[in-house]
Amino acid sequence: DTGVSQDPRHKITKRGQNVTFRCDPISEHNRLYWYRQTLGQGPEFLTYFQNEAQLEKSRLLSDRFSAERPKGSFSTLEIQRTEQGDSAMYLCAKFAAIPNTEAFFGQGTRLTVV
Amino acid sequence: ELKVEQNPLFLSMQEGKNYTIYCNYSTTSDRLYWYRQDPGKSLESLFVLLSNGAVKQEGRLMASLDTKARLSTLHITAAVHDLSATYFCAVAPAFGNEKLTFGTGTRLTIIP
Repeated sequence: DTGVSQDPRHKITKRGQNVTFRCDPISEHNRLYWYRQTLGQGPEFLTYFQNEAQLEKSRLLSDRFSAERPKGSFSTLEIQRTEQGDSAMYLCAKFAAIPNTEAFFGQGTRLTVV
Repeated sequence: ELKVEQNPLFLSMQEGKNYTIYCNYSTTSDRLYWYRQDPGKSLESLFVLLSNGAVKQEGRLMASLDTKARLSTLHITAAVHDLSATYFCAVAPAFGNEKLTFGTGTRLTIIP
């Protein structure tokens, strides 16, 4: 148990539909990250929050993607008008405090767009 | 832009043998991570290396970091079937946040 819970674990959706994923780091962690991993590749950074502030967004995050962390605890990632290219594993991570800085990933949400 | 290269991409080895996975990165970093991923699963943290010359060992796996050469290695000793997985290294930018850049991964298959 990494202390990061993601929901749902799997999502199948039709192209053009909207989907929303949730990440709950369980214990209080001020830094929360979202990554995306396509088949056969390493994870790629999408965005990160410090408390409720979204401090950085990757160019991978098109305007169809939006992420929030309203109270600095759980976070949501929404994809509007899904495309087949959005099919991937979406991973959420929290980081331990300095100096350890170990990173813990959730189980991920596997999205399939049909 | 930080780039991370791993090699080999695929590795098939017999049980009992030793081998090394290499991870090169392009710019200064002060944190390097190794992860294991089983098919369809998330990432399992193996090691965090924070300084030049750092060496960490867990069971049959040993990781080291040479920040001057911008190189990390993951050494597998006397491989067993349970070690079959994909291994990723990931690098965080120096003095920055934890925006990790991952390598492409090494798919390791241990043959009995």
